[in-house]
Amino acid sequence: GAVVSQHPSRVICKSGTSVKIECRSLDFQATTMFWYRQFPKQSLMLMATSNEGSKATYEQGVEKDKFLINHASLTLSTLTVTSAHPEDSSFYICSARDKGLSGQPQHFGDGTRLSIL
Amino acid sequence: SQELEQSPQSLIVQEGKNLTINCTSSKTLYGLYWYKQKYGEGLIFLMMLQKGGEEKSHEKITAKLDEKKQQSSLHITASQPSHAGIYLCGAAYTGANSKLTFGKGITLSVRP
Repeated sequence: GAVVSQHPSRVICKSGTSVKIECRSLDFQATTMFWYRQFPKQSLMLMATSNEGSKATYEQGVEKDKFLINHASLTLSTLTVTSAHPEDSSFYICSARDKGLSGQPQHFGDGTRLSIL
Repeated sequence: SQELEQSPQSLIVQEGKNLTINCTSSKTLYGLYWYKQKYGEGLIFLMMLQKGGEEKSHEKITAKLDEKKQQSSLHITASQPSHAGIYLCGAAYTGANSKLTFGKGITLSVRP
């Protein structure tokens, strides 16, 4: 149980392109999903908390207009990197927590490797 | 300084050996989560600790949380190549559903 699917697993695109990444909870409902960014040999950096039916909560230093988050249903959150540039190249990972169970761990997707040329 | 420190940074052990890795918080934890990650992949949940002095085991992995709830250790008995990967601890500070702060991770290699 507690499977989180993230798609696509890898994206290579030109500078200036917008890229959408999907995060789905497959066998549970999640009112809250999290988006992280990870640099090589670095920790996971929380970018934003995605809340179903309301605006995402962004961490300090993360540009809201650059990283658009939509959480339209209890099983789907999307992260759109708008007008991506080479410095946006990174590994992006989402996680979700079962809304029905308090204090349960976050379950992670397999991540998306984004490469901007 | 980092809020959550993991040590050692990396570790190479011979197959069959025991090992212990640590996660230390600069402030009291509400809860501590251990995850394992293969490079370029997602995180796999291992164990969650919430009570001071708590200890949990799964297969050959045992995790402990100290009484002060500021330090956790992860012990692997008779390591195998399948144990290789990056071990991350994630700290919850404010409540059961609070966001997690992660350490930098510990890279474990197991030599056959």
